[in-house]
Formats: sequence, structure tokens, C-alpha cells
Amino acid sequence: GEDVEQSLFLSVREGDSSVINCTYTDSSSTYLYWYKQEPGAGLQLLTYIFSNMDMKQDQRLTVLLNKKDKHLSLRIADTQTGDSAIYFCAHEWGSSNTGKLIFGQGTTLQVKP
Amino acid sequence: EAGVTQFPSHSVIEKGQTVTLRCDPISGHDNLYWYRRVMGKEIKFLLHFVKESKQDESGMPNNRFLAERTGGTYSTLKVQPAELEDSGVYFCASSQVGTGELFFGEGSRLTVL
Repeated sequence: GEDVEQSLFLSVREGDSSVINCTYTDSSSTYLYWYKQEPGAGLQLLTYIFSNMDMKQDQRLTVLLNKKDKHLSLRIADTQTGDSAIYFCAHEWGSSNTGKLIFGQGTTLQVKP
Repeated sequence: EAGVTQFPSHSVIEKGQTVTLRCDPISGHDNLYWYRRVMGKEIKFLLHFVKESKQDESGMPNNRFLAERTGGTYSTLKVQPAELEDSGVYFCASSQVGTGELFFGEGSRLTVL
């Protein structure tokens, strides 16, 4: 299967941490991605993780990967109002670098001041 | 450097009419992809060009959709005749051969009435 599941909505207060979760079914992917879509804008690659890694940290962003459970999460520390956007989890179809991505439905993050 | 540009940003047409969406990839990017997000659902792959050749068109919904990339530069996606279920946001993305990072455009929103 190639389904990617995400919760649809998350609301946090400014300064709190946000955790966006994602589960997937295809375990052959080499890369797993998080994309961000701000209102009126295109998709922006936020971060990615290799499938042989458990964790990747990039400033306020922490990606955790549990391959056994096929679970990916994105943690945003000290969430700001500018982080309000739709966040899409995605993985490549198969194990080759084709650019054919399987996306989840997207999680809308609302940050309240 | 210009990013991926798409035109029009929004198109409203009636059922049965024809619409042509255009994508200009980043200069030098041989890979070009079309994706679609329908009614707040997941973003789905439509097809992949390498230069002017269709590498993978497994995601094209039916023969009402025709994608071209003459000359290997910009691409068009024509929907003829449009149906109500074609409404959604059509994203174009491009990448260099051998790299995994896709650069997305802002999308073309199609509304079929």
C-alpha cells in the first residue's frame, strides 16, 4: 500500500511546542519528507530524513522516525505565529530517486498568539 | 533566480469546457512533475517528464487529461472536457536530474462549476 495518514488539524499557543504525526505503509522509501504550505504559497521542502536515521534536528525542527511502527513526526519548538501553515508528510514511491512522492492529507497548524 | 511559475493562478470554468494550465520550471531542471490536490485531500502524483519525454504518467486520472512538454522547457496540462471532480489545485514541480529535492510552484486552482 502507499497510504500516508496525518491528523487534519492542530492548534497550539505561541511559544509552545507543536508535534505533527504521520504514519505510512510503504517501508521501502529511502527518504521521508516534511513540506510546508503557507497561505497562498507553494509547497516548500521543510526538512527530510533518511530512512536509516532515527532522528534529525535542524534548529527548531526535530524529525523522529520509527521505522518499525512506520511513524514519522515533526516537532517544532517555540512555535511562532509564522509557523501557521499546512504541513504535509511525504515519502518517495519505492526506493529509487524518482521524485514521485506520496503525500498525506496535510495537517493545518494554527498558532494562537 | 526565478522559481517554478504556474499560470493561471485561478481558473473558473463550466463543466464541459476546456482549460489549459501552464508550468515554467526552474531553468536547467530536466525533471518536471504535475501533482493535484482535490478538495483538501492528499496531494497526488499525476505524471513526470524528463525533458520532453513522459517518464511516468501512471497518476493521470483518465484520457480527459493531456500533458505536454514540447522542447523540454515549459509544460501544459489540458483538461478537456472538464468535470466537476476535476476541481482542485494543480501543482507543478521541477528538479535537477540526480537530485531528490523538488521545487514546487504556487499551484493553479481550478474550479469547475
